[in-house]
Amino acid sequence: DTEVTQTPKHLVMGMTNKKSLKCEQHMGHRAMYWYKQKAKKPPELMFVYSYEKLSINESVPSRFSPECPNSSLLNLHLHALQPEDSALYLCASSQESTEAGNTIYFGEGSWLTVV
Amino acid sequence: QKEVEQNSGPLSVPEGAIASLNCTYSDRGSQSFFWYRQYSGKSPELIMSIYSNGDKEDGRFTAQLNKASQYVSLLIRDSQPSDSATYLCAVRSGNTGKLIFGQGTTLQVKP
Repeated sequence: DTEVTQTPKHLVMGMTNKKSLKCEQHMGHRAMYWYKQKAKKPPELMFVYSYEKLSINESVPSRFSPECPNSSLLNLHLHALQPEDSALYLCASSQESTEAGNTIYFGEGSWLTVV
Repeated sequence: QKEVEQNSGPLSVPEGAIASLNCTYSDRGSQSFFWYRQYSGKSPELIMSIYSNGDKEDGRFTAQLNKASQYVSLLIRDSQPSDSATYLCAVRSGNTGKLIFGQGTTLQVKP
């Protein structure tokens, strides 16, 4: 079983709603990630947090706002999304973000549908 | 040229056979390589990681890496119907923690 826990597993939201995706890991990892996966496509990186600081933003639109309250928690705040933002949002973590040998583990994902 | 390339398949093998999945990558400086398995509707699950040239075995799975040829493969011995899934090859980009995925190969193991 994955030790990266994501909630909710499914979320349906309107284009004017504000919602959040939450992620928690208990492996003592210091790097956490958000990936987005569209149907029949591979995951694509959105954000990287290292030691609670944002280290990579892959030019993600501002309607997605990440937050890392502490080393175990990662949130993704959603506002004014578009239907094309509907996807599987994957949280992941690793021991470090800068060490080549660190394995990245994925949570079970949050399925987001924007209506 | 895509950074990580895989044949999308589907690759169909009979139960008990060896399934061979292949991946090439463009960044010669890459040092970390991963195979993830993804069942339909589920998240990617790590199968193997490999960092050095040669073979790495774990149960029925063997990962092979050839950095000179920029090639990484996954062999699945004694394939089972439960192995039917999409297999994603991922390459870590530098020291950023960013994984670059191939498009995935769909494996079908027929009983």
